[in-house]
Amino acid sequence: AQSVTQLGSHVSVSEGALVLLRCNYSSSVPPYLFWYVQYPNQGLQLLLKYTSAATLVKGINGFEAEFKKSETSFHLTKPSAHMSDAAEYFCAVSETGNTPLVFGKGTRLSVIA
Amino acid sequence: DSGVTQTPKHLITATGQRVTLRCSPRSGDLSVYWYQQSLDQGLQFLIQYYNGEERAKGNILERFSAQQFPDLHSELNLSSLELGDSALYFCASSAAGAGSSYNEQFFGPGTRLTVL
Repeated sequence: AQSVTQLGSHVSVSEGALVLLRCNYSSSVPPYLFWYVQYPNQGLQLLLKYTSAATLVKGINGFEAEFKKSETSFHLTKPSAHMSDAAEYFCAVSETGNTPLVFGKGTRLSVIA
Repeated sequence: DSGVTQTPKHLITATGQRVTLRCSPRSGDLSVYWYQQSLDQGLQFLIQYYNGEERAKGNILERFSAQQFPDLHSELNLSSLELGDSALYFCASSAAGAGSSYNEQFFGPGTRLTVL
């Protein structure tokens, strides 16, 4: 069975600082991996996805993530945090890309001015 | 705007009642997924339909059921509601069902259910 572990339920960074949100996955097959963002009282928006092409994936709003098979990780980074990045971030895994998503517990990102 | 619509946006009801949540997928999408987001369980998959047929089942309670209609909209029925059913229910749609290349799931804004 697939699973996702997000380390840290809450991460706080200063505006302009590096954002690093951690995600480790468990999968018996080469996975499809995703990061979603949820702003308060809104739905889920896809930030970026890994679909077995390039291991370094660039997404929207300056975010990127690197797939590391040896570490079973897919950490999300952004070089410089902006106040508008404050939201809940979810890492998710899918077996084939057309199967249901298995989500992590989420990490709430706070950005301090 | 993802193109996926969900109604109603908010629903407040009492324990023991039955409610129906509705989802209209993006134009042309054949698959509909239902997810539940609660404080206790986080975001979890409930059920998937593809072109009118059930494709996959997750942690869906027996009190819950769903269907997808010929026009591809879907309904999630929740019955004998309990306090613990209070959650945000998301619908997502994608172009394909299985086996083909990756197809992104687009999420609707959700229906917030409060059971009192």
